[in-house]
Amino acid sequence: DIVMTQTPLSSPVTLGQPASISCRSSQSLVHSDGNTYLSWLQQRPGQPPRLLIYKISNRFSGVPDRFSGSGAGTDFTLKISRVEAEDVGVYYCMQATQFPYAFGQGTKLEIK
Amino acid sequence: QITLKESGPTLVKPTQTLTLTCTFSGFSLSTSGVGVGWIRQPPGKALEWLALIYWDDDKRYSPSLKSRLTITKDTSKNQVVLTMTNMDPVDTATYYCAHIGYSYGFAFDIWGQGTMVTVSS
Repeated sequence: DIVMTQTPLSSPVTLGQPASISCRSSQSLVHSDGNTYLSWLQQRPGQPPRLLIYKISNRFSGVPDRFSGSGAGTDFTLKISRVEAEDVGVYYCMQATQFPYAFGQGTKLEIK
Repeated sequence: QITLKESGPTLVKPTQTLTLTCTFSGFSLSTSGVGVGWIRQPPGKALEWLALIYWDDDKRYSPSLKSRLTITKDTSKNQVVLTMTNMDPVDTATYYCAHIGYSYGFAFDIWGQGTMVTVSS
């Protein structure tokens, strides 16, 4: 099974400053069809998760452009260019390249 | 507009079977490339993928829970049902259903609000 490891587990950030979250998979997430099925989700306090990014770097509908995703193979990054108060929450990466699908353990973004 | 809503008991006793229903609108589970998954989240913990059913009735389960899970769909009712047998207090969690599809790289793009299930005698 593929294991997803996120770092850091907690990230205190100043409003207006950038933030970065790393996600590493135990195996390459490149599918036999050539796609890489790595997504990022945000979970605000008391809310269900919300899709931010799919296939490494594609922003989902309505997601602000301050969110961006990058990476390849086994190493992926979610970046927030300028953190806003509404970005507080827990961020998860998820792989859908191979069953069983798997989430990272989550990274808590909080404001300093 | 796609929406999903989970329903089921809020409290179950240990050893009982949990049955959760996901009722959705805005898409059809007979459309190629579309699926519905179940994910749970124990209080204060991370998300855990449980099961998935696709439009063609392909069913996938978490290996660690496979012996206890069954996922089915009723396309005419726009529902997906998850059953989990032999419930234990460690299964206490919020259970979510979510839409998944090829269009968004098999990411869970739309989620229900979740339903909290407590396992206690």
